[in-house]
Amino acid sequence: AQKVTQAQTEISVVEKEDVTLDCVYETRDTTYYLFWYKQPPSGELVFLIRRNSFDEQNEISGRYSWNFQKSTSSFNFTITASQVVDSAVYFCALYSSASKIIFGSGTRLSIRP
Amino acid sequence: EAGVAQSPRYKIIEKRQSVAFWCNPISGHATLYWYQQILGQGPKLLIQFQNNGVVDDSQLPKDRFSAERLKGVDSTLKIQPAKLEDSAVYLCASRSTGPETQYFGPGTRLLVL
Repeated sequence: AQKVTQAQTEISVVEKEDVTLDCVYETRDTTYYLFWYKQPPSGELVFLIRRNSFDEQNEISGRYSWNFQKSTSSFNFTITASQVVDSAVYFCALYSSASKIIFGSGTRLSIRP
Repeated sequence: EAGVAQSPRYKIIEKRQSVAFWCNPISGHATLYWYQQILGQGPKLLIQFQNNGVVDDSQLPKDRFSAERLKGVDSTLKIQPAKLEDSAVYLCASRSTGPETQYFGPGTRLLVL
């Protein structure tokens, strides 16, 4: 069975702090993809990153970075120097070769000025 | 490039009424998805189309929900009759045949009274 767990329901930090959102996944497939999406108050899911199971290189994009570790089945997301505009719900998702995507329950991130 | 379009953005109906949602995917995207997102949860896949054929509808409550994508482009999702528990955001997403990344529309927020 496939599963995505985002144990942090809500996180609140002060602006400019660094914050890490955790994602743990379960799958029996050897080929799979992991995603992070951002859902601002407007409701649209915005694609942030995709990682395939064969590429464990960490990635940095501006203030965003992602740490993929197959050994612990984790795909964590860090925002450095957070800003108020980062406030949103963030979803981690798993896509397997069976072509079905499963989302975690989301982490609501609030950045206080 | 235009994104995924959905209408209406909001809909309020009474239980036992019918409602229909429309989605126009990104041009050229062969795969189209409908998701249900209940408040506080991650999106749940209802149905997946590849061109005009159904790939996966295992989580679609077929006694009241139906969907079609007759010409392999835009799609409609219908609920008949609606129940209180159908109150949710209905998201449409599409992807091309290559990369697995799904791109989401703004969603339709349904309230059933």
